[in-house]
Amino acid sequence: DTGVSQDPRHKITKRGQNVTFRCDPISEHNRLYWYRQTLGQGPEFLTYFQNEAQLEKSRLLSDRFSAERPKGSFSTLEIQRTEQGDSAMYLCASRIDEQFFGPGTRLTVL
Amino acid sequence: AQSVSQHNHHVILSEAASLELGCNYSYGGTVNLFWYVQYPGQHLQLLLKYFSGDPLVKGIKGFEAEFIKSKFSFNLRKPSVQWSDTAEYFCAVNEPSGTYKYIFGTGTRLKVLA
Repeated sequence: DTGVSQDPRHKITKRGQNVTFRCDPISEHNRLYWYRQTLGQGPEFLTYFQNEAQLEKSRLLSDRFSAERPKGSFSTLEIQRTEQGDSAMYLCASRIDEQFFGPGTRLTVL
Repeated sequence: AQSVSQHNHHVILSEAASLELGCNYSYGGTVNLFWYVQYPGQHLQLLLKYFSGDPLVKGIKGFEAEFIKSKFSFNLRKPSVQWSDTAEYFCAVNEPSGTYKYIFGTGTRLKVLA
């Protein structure tokens, strides 16, 4: 158990619906990352937080995506008006020296 | 932009065979290097990492990797694989400053036959 938890583990939604995922990092880790992993690919960086500040966003993060980390603790990733192309595994990681990954949230958009 | 190449997408070995998985990266500056493993149904776990010093790095479960700067490579090796090594292996790099975000390779799916 890495200590990074994500909820839910699986989400099935219909196209056009909004979804929100939660990540709880290891408590002493102030750096938090979101990645997306599609079939046959390695994880791709989406966004990075240091404490509560969102310091970098990938071009993969369209306007329909928003991430927050209130008070520098847990983080949420929201996808509005989901599309079938959003279907993927969404991974959260936190770090001191190396990144520790959570189990991921698998999103299926029908 | 940085990129990571893993040329072996699928590898099938018998138990006790030796393993070498290739990883090449493109970046001219200093990098940190990592190998992660993902067992079926489990999350990504760190196998080993290289930040500096001895380019031969030993990790968990008998794995090792060698950083060859001139070849921009960080290949993963294990002298004798076991059935339990069946998993997907990912090479990753990051810059040792700024966000420390990872750039991953596409992964190598290893199947070890008992």
